[in-house]
Amino acid sequence: KQEVTQIPAALSVPEGENLVLNCSFTDSAIYNLQWFRQDPGKGLTSLLLIQSSQREQTSGRLNASLDKSSGRSTLYIAASQPGDSATYLCAVGGQAGTALIFGKGTTLSVSS
Amino acid sequence: GAVVSQHPSWVICKSGTSVKIECRSLDFQATTMFWYRQFPKQSLMLMATSNEGSKATYEQGVEKDKFLINHASLTLSTLTVTSAHPEDSSFYICSARPLTGSYNEQFFGPGTRLTVL
Repeated sequence: KQEVTQIPAALSVPEGENLVLNCSFTDSAIYNLQWFRQDPGKGLTSLLLIQSSQREQTSGRLNASLDKSSGRSTLYIAASQPGDSATYLCAVGGQAGTALIFGKGTTLSVSS
Repeated sequence: GAVVSQHPSWVICKSGTSVKIECRSLDFQATTMFWYRQFPKQSLMLMATSNEGSKATYEQGVEKDKFLINHASLTLSTLTVTSAHPEDSSFYICSARPLTGSYNEQFFGPGTRLTVL
């Protein structure tokens, strides 16, 4: 059974720092991996989607990498801002069209 | 982009009542919709997979008689929490997979916060 783990559970950084969020999964036979952002009491905002054949995806200050063989993904946030404060969720899809399996998230706090 | 809506966005009800939550894909047709539940400070847990025109598939530990799912059309799935109790209070989120295009991506609704008194 697929398990997704995110480390650290919480992270506090000063504004301007570059940071890395980690995600690991136990079954490397994934179809895709997706990073989401969730603000308190709100729904999910999709940040980046990486297909299993891809190594990374970039959007603005965000870069996500995927290493299927080692069961790891990282989300790199450059030049962090207070507006980046949120919980970041990593989710993997096992097969096309199946539900996503989520990690517990990393709660990020960026202070000004 | 593809948009999924949920209604209501929040609901407060008395213990023992039933609550219906709607999930709609606004600009695409969805063969499959998924229902997740999120407790405070926890991640999203899959409750069931809903396919249009057929019975939903429930995850282990989810009572199908308590959480009734109907997927009557390609744009609408409903989750009914029957005889709700305080322990059912949670954040319920649906997602939808488009009928055409990439089989890869799912689009999430904004969630429904249920509070049972």
